[in-house]
Amino acid sequence: QKEVEQDPGPLSVPEGAIVSLNCTYSNSAFQYFMWYRQYSRKGPELLMYTYSSGNKEDGRFTAQVDKSSKYISLFIRDSQPSDSATYLCAMNYFGNEKLTFGTGTRLTIIP
Amino acid sequence: DTGVSQDPRHKITKRGQNVTFRCDPISEHNRLYWYRQTLGQGPEFLTYFQNEAQLEKSRLLSDRFSAERPKGSFSTLEIQRTEQGDSAMYLCASSLDKRGSLQETQYFGPGTRLLVL
Repeated sequence: QKEVEQDPGPLSVPEGAIVSLNCTYSNSAFQYFMWYRQYSRKGPELLMYTYSSGNKEDGRFTAQVDKSSKYISLFIRDSQPSDSATYLCAMNYFGNEKLTFGTGTRLTIIP
Repeated sequence: DTGVSQDPRHKITKRGQNVTFRCDPISEHNRLYWYRQTLGQGPEFLTYFQNEAQLEKSRLLSDRFSAERPKGSFSTLEIQRTEQGDSAMYLCASSLDKRGSLQETQYFGPGTRLLVL
């Protein structure tokens, strides 16, 4: 079993819809949680970083962490065609700097 | 552009050949990471450096792989006797480790896409 599980999709939604992306993890030592966006043939780009359980908002993006359930989510409001990309969750724990990634969810926003 | 750069962006080689990739991190960053990403998967950690010291290597990093960061600036990743299973995107990331900071952000380069025929 992988330490981080993420539904690979693909996920297609109409423009303007709310998108929900999720990851679960098994290692309770993970303390830091990130969402990266990766466009085709490009490197990952950091979108959101959270540490504690709860919600963190940045513009149209909201990251949610539930450490008791080992579950993290990324919500995208008012989705745009430019949001079409692969979204990767990533996590690590203090003193262990390497990131452990999910498989990524491929998202397409249909105009 | 002051981001992470990688060279070459694409490499096609024949099985058994050696290849070397280069990564130039963001200039003030003291940490440098290598990851490998295969199609439909997330990046997997290979190794990382704090300045010129290689501090951790994944068991994914077989004896055919070697990485260096000789002066604590750019890094090279060499694969000897390439195999078809080495075909992947090789990603480099850098970060700034600040004493007392709980977490640092890793910034990724565009990757080197390797195809072994």
